[in-house]
Amino acid sequence: DAGITQSPRHKVTETGTPVTLRCHQTENHRYMYWYRQDPGHGLRLIHYSYGVKDTDKGEVSDGYSVSRSKTEDFLLTLESATSSQTSVYFCAAGTSDEQFFGPGTRLTVL
Amino acid sequence: GQNIDQPTEMTATEGAIVQINCTYQTSGFNGLFWYQQHAGEAPTFLSYNVLDGLEEKGRFSSFLSRSKGYSYLLLKELQMKDSASYLCAVRPLGGSYIPTFGRGTSLIVHP
Repeated sequence: DAGITQSPRHKVTETGTPVTLRCHQTENHRYMYWYRQDPGHGLRLIHYSYGVKDTDKGEVSDGYSVSRSKTEDFLLTLESATSSQTSVYFCAAGTSDEQFFGPGTRLTVL
Repeated sequence: GQNIDQPTEMTATEGAIVQINCTYQTSGFNGLFWYQQHAGEAPTFLSYNVLDGLEEKGRFSSFLSRSKGYSYLLLKELQMKDSASYLCAVRPLGGSYIPTFGRGTSLIVHP
């Protein structure tokens, strides 16, 4: 357990609504990441952060935004949820050599 | 860019040995990770290889050949609890250094 929590753990929402997922870490890691995991695709990077207020896009960033105002918190926002964003979302935190993953959030967009 | 290939699914018998392969093509290579992920759970770190050769950690070993773009994860004395997905991830040299994950290999261990 690397002290990473995600909230909520499960969410069902409707198309067009905004959704925010939260990742919280207690180990003071500099790097934090948001991934989505879908059958047949593996883990794909959405956005990452290399420090407070320092973020960058990953492979599948369209439709997502992030914010990191404190070292311990990394928020992922779906500005207007679509059915294609139904997925399991994993947050990770760590060093440049190792990532520790949170328990995941299962998001369903109807 | 990076291209990572690993088998989709493998089956093995309890007590046996299984080797899960991962091949990659990348413009710059720093190292290769292996993660284990049980169904419905988060991935957990198994190993990180930077240099060529075999690294052993108990029942699990990981091998890397940088010149061949090839790695494998070797699981010995298989147990039922080893049924899981095994994710290979390549860390690039330079840029963000963020690893790119393969699609994972689902290992089913049967009695």
